[in-house]
Amino acid sequence: DAKTTQPPSMDCAEGRAANLPCNHSTISGNEYVYWYRQIHSQGPQYIIHGLKNNETNEMASLIITEDRKSSTLILPHATLRDTAVYYCIVRAAYSGAGSYQLTFGKGTKLSVIP
Amino acid sequence: EPEVTQTPSHQVTQMGQEVILRCVPISNHLYFYWYRQILGQKVEFLVSFYNNEISEKSEIFDDQFSVERPDGSNFTLKIRSTKLEDSAMYFCASRLAGLAEQYFGPGTRLTVT
Repeated sequence: DAKTTQPPSMDCAEGRAANLPCNHSTISGNEYVYWYRQIHSQGPQYIIHGLKNNETNEMASLIITEDRKSSTLILPHATLRDTAVYYCIVRAAYSGAGSYQLTFGKGTKLSVIP
Repeated sequence: EPEVTQTPSHQVTQMGQEVILRCVPISNHLYFYWYRQILGQKVEFLVSFYNNEISEKSEIFDDQFSVERPDGSNFTLKIRSTKLEDSAMYFCASRLAGLAEQYFGPGTRLTVT
């Protein structure tokens, strides 16, 4: 799996958009970008994933650059409940054995400030 | 919305004792996982399970660990002889066939004294 690089921490004002960057310059053609978050000590929560097109769901938007070497997770209107560690994970679409285990890095600690 | 559940939420045990952590994955999911997170550290993969057998395991998952799906709903992690360094949050996760996104439970905090 390709390695990812994320800033260790970010602040965002409540109600503003939170833009969380991720670099994955060694990503290969069959690898997806996944985003998870972990609120305090809870279990990680799946947010969104994409291959090359931008994606949007009820939680967030994912913007992937044309060369796929970086991406940005956007929380359009951050709330205090969005304070969490956000993980960017690059993972092959299908690995044959289908195990799909996730390799978590240190992520970005997002603090939403009132 | 269906969710992964785990019991107990907190388990305290003495070093050398056996513990069993329990998980109920989402009902139509076929792939199951255990991860752990030592306080202040990264979430680490332990083992994946499919079709009643282990499909992959990490080097952390040594002979002291075992997993089982004893019936159609539960998925368990057993640690035979706990060590102080096994103290961590243990998370169970599950996913559907054909999709890679995993859904995690709330975790069991294991404290070994």
